[in-house]
Amino acid sequence: GAVVSQHPSWVICKSGTSVKIECRSLDFQATTMFWYRQFPKQSLMLMATSNEGSKATYEQGVEKDKFLINHASLTLSTLTVTSAHPEDSSFYICSASTTGGNTIYFGEGSWLTVV
Amino acid sequence: DAKTTQPPSMDCAEGRAANLPCNHSTISGNEYVYWYRQIHSQGPQYIIHGLKNNETNEMASLIITEDRKSSTLILPHATLRDTAVYYCIVRVAPVRNQGGKLIFGQGTELSVKP
Repeated sequence: GAVVSQHPSWVICKSGTSVKIECRSLDFQATTMFWYRQFPKQSLMLMATSNEGSKATYEQGVEKDKFLINHASLTLSTLTVTSAHPEDSSFYICSASTTGGNTIYFGEGSWLTVV
Repeated sequence: DAKTTQPPSMDCAEGRAANLPCNHSTISGNEYVYWYRQIHSQGPQYIIHGLKNNETNEMASLIITEDRKSSTLILPHATLRDTAVYYCIVRVAPVRNQGGKLIFGQGTELSVKP
């Protein structure tokens, strides 16, 4: 299947700083990318949907000024957690699909720990 | 998006078929049934999807009832590596980059035992 890669796999940052997570589609052009967050022993929660060249659409309750999403090219989307706090510590997962694509492929996930 | 209902957990003996049920009684005509699984601390892995016909691939089979209100994912010969959380999701097909998002429920935790 198609490959979606995330970087970094894990990151530790200090409270109050910002951290960026990258999501790349390695062998296909991803017109749509999705960002999820998952807390331990819970299911994935959709945060936002981004289409290449457009502003991201955020799910209800997700702060767009805190979780900045950029989808500037057909192979790269970034999630920046601004002014991170310990409660932002979580497993962040991206996924990607092609235009009208029937299948959505997921990255390996990125562990964020805010200390 | 239609909601799905799955049992929270199931056990299966290694080498036997694992049959994972899913109810989606409010599914709409343009919604597909998707199955993903997630092994601990990894991103979800695509398994299979279908609209109304039964589907089979190298990983599994998907059986969708005629009224489309429920489906069953079948892993024909479960191995220990199939131990994971399995998610059944209904998804509207994307149109012109709109829609098509996957909303995850709680899934079924499948434990394959020796």
